[in-house]
Amino acid sequence: QLQLQESGPGLVKPSETLSLTCSVSGGYSSSSSYYWGWIRQPPGKGLEWIGTIYFSGTTYYNPSLKSRVTMSGDTSKNQFSLKLSSVTAADTAVYYCARGQGAVSPFDYWGQGTLVTVSS
Amino acid sequence: DIVMTQSPDSLAVSLGERATIKCKSSQSVLYSSNNKNYLAWYQQKPGQPPKLLIYWASTREFGVPDRFSGSGSGTDFTLTISSLQAEDVAVYYCQQYYSPPYTFGQGTKLEIK
Repeated sequence: QLQLQESGPGLVKPSETLSLTCSVSGGYSSSSSYYWGWIRQPPGKGLEWIGTIYFSGTTYYNPSLKSRVTMSGDTSKNQFSLKLSSVTAADTAVYYCARGQGAVSPFDYWGQGTLVTVSS
Repeated sequence: DIVMTQSPDSLAVSLGERATIKCKSSQSVLYSSNNKNYLAWYQQKPGQPPKLLIYWASTREFGVPDRFSGSGSGTDFTLTISSLQAEDVAVYYCQQYYSPPYTFGQGTKLEIK
């Protein structure tokens, strides 16, 4: 069974950079064969796609966040990461990593999510 | 951006009855070259991540009960639960993956009447 696990600080100060890692394990989890995305959900609100990465280096970012987002991957570790710079309280959310079968596909496996709070 | 609008925002249905959730996109998500609608439905229970139920508007994900069905094309889509079970209480989201940014509907909260 494929498993995704998000990790990173649960508290980030305003104006700093949020950094999260998603570790992929189990099943046929060759991370280089799929697309991997980040989605966030502010408390009590809906879902927002942040971006998707393929390990060829191709990335797709939400234009509303593009100037602040960087995604990267490490196939040797089966991990991929998210960096979001210059955070504000509006970036407080549960951050999910997820797998897509292709560049244009829904997300079929999700991590449990990690709450990141932006506060001084 | 493609705006996804769901209706209603919340819904209460009796056990064993049919539940219907609508999703409308601000532009078509039907790709004419392959005649596929780039529309998915997810179920999210409290404290859990979303779970993929339906993709290509009407294809059930493996392991999803057949009481869940999706229909529609172009800009108008429907998720139907034919006979509501207690475990179906959740928030349901539609998502278009036709064009980035891949946007979600605002969610529909489904409860037991």
